[in-house]
Amino acid sequence: AQSVTQLDSHVSVSEGTPVLLRCNYSSSYSPSLFWYVQHPNKGLQLLLKYTSAATLVKGINGFEAEFKKSETSFHLTKPSAHMSDAAEYFCVVSGGNTGKLIFGQGTTLQVKP
Amino acid sequence: DAGVIQSPRHEVTEMGQEVTLRCKPISGHDYLFWYRQTMMRGLELLIYFNNNVPIDDSGMPEDRFSAKMPNASFSTLKIQPSEPRDSAVYFCASSTRQIPNTEAFFGQGTRLTVV
Repeated sequence: AQSVTQLDSHVSVSEGTPVLLRCNYSSSYSPSLFWYVQHPNKGLQLLLKYTSAATLVKGINGFEAEFKKSETSFHLTKPSAHMSDAAEYFCVVSGGNTGKLIFGQGTTLQVKP
Repeated sequence: DAGVIQSPRHEVTEMGQEVTLRCKPISGHDYLFWYRQTMMRGLELLIYFNNNVPIDDSGMPEDRFSAKMPNASFSTLKIQPSEPRDSAVYFCASSTRQIPNTEAFFGQGTRLTVV
């Protein structure tokens, strides 16, 4: 069975400082992992994905994530936060033969000026 | 491709009425998902289809909810009768298992308000 845990429900950073959103996963199979972003009153947009290629994955808007199998983690980072990064972020795992996507509970990123 | 298209974008209905939400997936995608998002429960997977066949409907809250996919380009989620606790944003998403394109593409959602 697959599951995903986002370790922080809320993260607050100052503009220009690094962002770290943490995600741990559990999967019986070699997983595909994703990060999605949702801005207020908007749909979900894919930030980046890992599908068993390079373990360091670069996404849009300067975000990246590193797949660490030994730690079962897929943390999302960005060197310098921008005000427009304020949103809800979801870590997602897909695996096995089902095609089913499992969402974490989400992390709200607040960016202070 | 125009992406996943959901309609209506907003729906306000009275308790007890039937509500039908519609979704057109991306052409060529063989998976379709229905999610519900609320403040209290976050994103919940209600049901998903593969090649128009329902695979897992364990997330459907109760018998008042039903979903169909009569063909590869159309799906509906129906609530009958609707209740105020059904108020939420309902998202439809589609994907394909052809690696590396395994991510799901989401529609803009339908905001349902039951009064």
